[in-house]
Amino acid sequence: AQSVTQLGSHVSVSEGALVLLRCNYSSSVPPYLFWYVQYPNQGLQLLLKYTSAATLVKGINGFEAEFKKSETSFHLTKPSAHMSDAAEYFCAVSEDNQGGSEKLVFGKGTKLTVNP
Amino acid sequence: EAGVAQSPRYKIIEKRQSVAFWCNPISGHATLYWYQQILGQGPKLLIQFQNNGVVDDSQLPKDRFSAERLKGVDSTLKIQPAKLEDSAVYLCASSPRHPGPTLGTEAFFGQGTRLTVV
Repeated sequence: AQSVTQLGSHVSVSEGALVLLRCNYSSSVPPYLFWYVQYPNQGLQLLLKYTSAATLVKGINGFEAEFKKSETSFHLTKPSAHMSDAAEYFCAVSEDNQGGSEKLVFGKGTKLTVNP
Repeated sequence: EAGVAQSPRYKIIEKRQSVAFWCNPISGHATLYWYQQILGQGPKLLIQFQNNGVVDDSQLPKDRFSAERLKGVDSTLKIQPAKLEDSAVYLCASSPRHPGPTLGTEAFFGQGTRLTVV
C-alpha cells in the first residue's frame, strides 16, 4: 500500500515569508501525487498534481511543488505567503484500487497559519 | 459546471440515533467516494462506487454504516446506530475516471457534512 507522511501538523509563517510544507511518500511504483487545500468549513480543493510529466509542478494561487525521487519527497512551496493562504493542506497519493479504479490516500494534513 | 453537492452541512445527534447524508456528484462522473475526516486527521476512504456498483468498502464499519448509489448518480450514507467516535466531517467526492490503467485523475470534493454525536 502506498502512503504519504506530512512533517509538521502546524506551520506558522509571517505574511510575505516563504511557505514550505513537507510531504514524503512511500510507493513501490512511480507515484501520482496531489496537494489539496481545505479552507475552514469547506471541502478539499486541488492545488496541483504530479503525474510524471514534469518534476516541478505549478498550481493555483502561486503554489508549486517539486517531485524528488531520490528523496521520495513532494514538498509544497510558495515564495510569499498571503493572509488568504491560511488553511489546512493535505498531500495525497493515488493508488490502484479494485476493478481498475483508483483512490486517494491522504496524509494527516498541515495547518498553515499566516501572521500579519 | 455545478460542483459536488452535499446535505445537510451540519448535524447533531445523540448516540444510538440514526443519521443519513446525501450527495449529488458532478454530472457524468462515474466514480463516487465517501471519506471520513476526523478532527486532526486526513480524510479516510469509507466506500467507493464505480457507477452504481461498490468497488471498495473495506474501511466501512458495516455493522453500523451503509451506503448506496441510486442509478449511478446520487448517493446516501447512513449510520445506525451512531457512536461518539463517529463525530467527523463526511466528505463526498466524485471523479470522471473510468476503469483503466491511467492514474492521476482529480477528485472533486463537496463541502462536507459535519456530524457531532453527543
